[in-house]
Amino acid sequence: AQSVSQHNHHVILSEAASLELGCNYSYGGTVNLFWYVQYPGQHLQLLLKYFSGDPLVKGIKGFEAEFIKSKFSFNLRKPSVQWSDTAEYFCAVNLNTNAGKSTFGDGTTLTVKP
Amino acid sequence: ETGVTQSPTHLIKTRGQQVTLRCSSQSGHNTVSWYQQALGQGPQFIFQYYREEENGRGNFPPRFSGLQFPNYSSELNVNALELDDSALYLCASSVQGRGGYTFGSGTRLTVV
Repeated sequence: AQSVSQHNHHVILSEAASLELGCNYSYGGTVNLFWYVQYPGQHLQLLLKYFSGDPLVKGIKGFEAEFIKSKFSFNLRKPSVQWSDTAEYFCAVNLNTNAGKSTFGDGTTLTVKP
Repeated sequence: ETGVTQSPTHLIKTRGQQVTLRCSSQSGHNTVSWYQQALGQGPQFIFQYYREEENGRGNFPPRFSGLQFPNYSSELNVNALELDDSALYLCASSVQGRGGYTFGSGTRLTVV
């Protein structure tokens, strides 16, 4: 069965530090990839998505993610985090043949210290 | 954009009872998906509705059922509630064929 792994459960960084959150999935076919963010007290929001084309995807608020097909990975990055980036981050994968079902990882909680 | 709205926000039910959760899709979206999120876990796909029909289902028993209405709003019904059904239920809307959801804030269901 399709699965998504987010290896970092809780990441603590200081402001201006660089961020990389790992996401790996287990499916060999064509996939669509997503990162969602949930700020404290808010609902899940789409941060960025990859369907095809350039494997480096730019999202909102300075986030980017790189799809590496050979590694089944879609890691999220940001060069310099801010206190306002404190949130929970979820990686999700759709099979291209079943765009309706997203499989989510268990999330990574990011705490940015001012 | 109106966003996705869910009601109620919180609900307490007794084991064995039935519950109906409601969701209004974001304007312009024609697909509604429901997810269950247990504490400390990612959302788990329950099912999706498109054109008022179920269009994909996750690993949930038949006592989880749903409806989509012509205005693209949706209901999630759960019969014979069990303690393990206690979770946050998320509704997400999208445009069929385009990825990426708009999520609601969820309904927190507690079964006692």
